[in-house]
Amino acid sequence: DTEVTQTPKHLVMGMTNKKSLKCEQHMGHRAMYWYKQKAKKPPELMFVYSYEKLSINESVPSRFSPECPNSSLLNLHLHALQPEDSALYLCASSHAPVRDEQYFGPGTRLTVL
Amino acid sequence: GQQVMQIPQYQHVQEGEDFTTYCNSSTTLSNIQWYKQRPGGHPVFLIQLVKSGEVKKQKRLTFQFGEAKKNSSLHITATQTTDVGTYFCAGQNAGNMLTFGGGTRLMVKP
Repeated sequence: DTEVTQTPKHLVMGMTNKKSLKCEQHMGHRAMYWYKQKAKKPPELMFVYSYEKLSINESVPSRFSPECPNSSLLNLHLHALQPEDSALYLCASSHAPVRDEQYFGPGTRLTVL
Repeated sequence: GQQVMQIPQYQHVQEGEDFTTYCNSSTTLSNIQWYKQRPGGHPVFLIQLVKSGEVKKQKRLTFQFGEAKKNSSLHITATQTTDVGTYFCAGQNAGNMLTFGGGTRLMVKP
């Protein structure tokens, strides 16, 4: 299984809502990532989990809260988002942190009203 | 911080023409990776280059890593409509995360 899955595919939420994005991989990868991608822009790194521990937080606002329940799962909890947070949220994983190629999931298209 | 610049931003070609995208880093890289993102899709890993001056080929795609490990290129020979998408380079310093270039969007006219 060489797939990274993400749910939901699409999400529309209001600024007062709380929602969560989910990501799963069964490749035995020990690093998992959250990226944010705006239209016609490259992916921007948000968080890195290495061996289930948060190793990098790229100055992301606290309204985004990551969680890694186990080595296969990665969540992104969303609360009090702003319309400018609307974007494609991509999850990725790699065998080892940093140096290996990353496998991306299909993403969650988030719209904040 | 590390910056990775990619040119051109857009390229329209006629099917059968060649295409090249260039990537330049402000710092020396430990490796560089290339990804392709189809319209409406997600980035898909193409290749990783590690050694100075390295050249790798995948069918019609040729990837090069500069001698100084600060630049890279992707060349596609005889483009096909299936090559449409955005090509990203992503450079990595020792110990740092990947920094993506801005991407080159390739459009192919049949």
